Amino acid sequence: GAGVSQSPSNKVTEKGKDVELRCDPISGHTALYWYRQRLGQGLEFLIYFQGNSAPDKSGLPSDRFSAERTGESVSTLTIQRTQQEDSAVYLCASSLELAGVEQYFGPGTRLTVT
Amino acid sequence: DQQVKQNSPSLSVQEGRISILNCDYTNSMFDYFLWYKKYPAEGPTFLISISSIKDKNEDGRFTVFLNKSAKHLSLHIVPSQPGDSAVYFCAATVSGGGADGLTFGKGTHLIIQP
Repeated sequence: GAGVSQSPSNKVTEKGKDVELRCDPISGHTALYWYRQRLGQGLEFLIYFQGNSAPDKSGLPSDRFSAERTGESVSTLTIQRTQQEDSAVYLCASSLELAGVEQYFGPGTRLTVT
Repeated sequence: DQQVKQNSPSLSVQEGRISILNCDYTNSMFDYFLWYKKYPAEGPTFLISISSIKDKNEDGRFTVFLNKSAKHLSLHIVPSQPGDSAVYFCAATVSGGGADGLTFGKGTHLIIQP
C-alpha cells in the first residue's frame, strides 16, 4: 500500500511570503504528526492530530505556523510571512491511533527561504 | 535542553564488524524508545523499538539494549553491511502520549567501509 506522501518535495520562497505544505497520511492512520529538521539538528515535533480531536499545537514555534487536517486524511501546514530561520525539511508522519508509537514518515518537504 | 542525546555525530565501521550506536536521555518519564534510519532525501524509517519493561529487543541483525538506571540505550548492528550506511536517530516517548510526538536525538551518521 501507499506510504505517507508529501508535496511539494522542494519549495524555495522569498522571505515574507506564505507557504503551504501538504501531507497525505497512510489510509486508516488516525494520528498525524508534523516535524521539522533544521540543518544539523534532530527532528523537532511541531503539531499532532488524533482523529477529530482538537490538535495539540504546543510544539509550533510561533503564531506564524498553523496546521489543519480534513477528517482523518490530508493535512496542510501553513507558514505565514516566512523567515530565513524557517528553512528546514518538514516531515509528516502517521500512525495507528495513540498506541501506534511506530510512526511512518513521508519523504519531507525541503523549504528554503531566501 | 536536549532530552535525547546522541553524542557521536558520525561513526565509521568496517563491513562485517559490529556497529554500536549510543543514545542517552534525561526525561525519566520516557518509557518507549525507538530507532529510526534515514537515507538522504527520504523520511526516517522505523527500525526497532523497546519498551522500558525490557532491557533487550532483537530483530535479525539489530539489537537494542536499554539501561534504565543509566538512562542509556544502544543499537547494535552485526554484521554491518554497506546498506546500513545512513543516519540513525534515537527517539523516545511516553507510551500513549501521542500528543507529545517523539523526541529525537540529532542523529549519528553511520558509515560502513568496505
